[in-house]
Amino acid sequence: AQKITQTQPGMFVQEKEAVTLDCTYDTSDPSYGLFWYKQPSSGEMIFLIYQGSYDQQNATEGRYSLNFQKARKSANLVISASQLGDSAMYFCAMREGISWGKLQFGAGTQVVVTP
Amino acid sequence: NAGVTQTPKFQVLKTGQSMTLQCAQDMNHEYMSWYRQDPGMGLRLIHYSVGAGITDQGEVPNGYNVSRSTTEDFPLRLLSAAPSQTSVYFCASSPSRANTEAFFGQGTRLTVV
Repeated sequence: AQKITQTQPGMFVQEKEAVTLDCTYDTSDPSYGLFWYKQPSSGEMIFLIYQGSYDQQNATEGRYSLNFQKARKSANLVISASQLGDSAMYFCAMREGISWGKLQFGAGTQVVVTP
Repeated sequence: NAGVTQTPKFQVLKTGQSMTLQCAQDMNHEYMSWYRQDPGMGLRLIHYSVGAGITDQGEVPNGYNVSRSTTEDFPLRLLSAAPSQTSVYFCASSPSRANTEAFFGQGTRLTVV
């Protein structure tokens, strides 16, 4: 069963606007971690932000913030003030319980930032 | 800082050939994993290791072998390459602390003809 769902295969956003990328997850383990990675056209995987299941506050890293709604099992990424360099594929991923060596990924969302 | 190093970056194989994708990390991480990425899909876990001498299967292990004799190295072996194994392969490592991310290599683009 799919554990990470990203329902937006692609989206366009204008430069300087904010964009929200959706991610829902499925787990019965009370201990888990949620990650967002960026993959530009060059192919590397770039870590953006992390949210632990026990964290009380939403994670933020510069222009990236994670809207964590635990009861709804969603972990949406918000990119504020989009830049042309934000054009990339974005992946949501989850680690469950003690299996910290294993990540489960969603299918990704392709973001294109237009001038 | 080298981080996670994968070699080769590109490889073309003929069906039935075998080869090893190399992965090395210099961060003394306990956990190492191999993923494959196919078009339109996220990364899928092939095999992973929680420490030297310990490996386990992921979601798509068939056709691949791994071993982990040292903390630094985690090679992935394709036993008899098939066109279905055409993909981009990523190696990743992470420490055992809960709130840390996985660090990825640059990827290996493999084509099986």
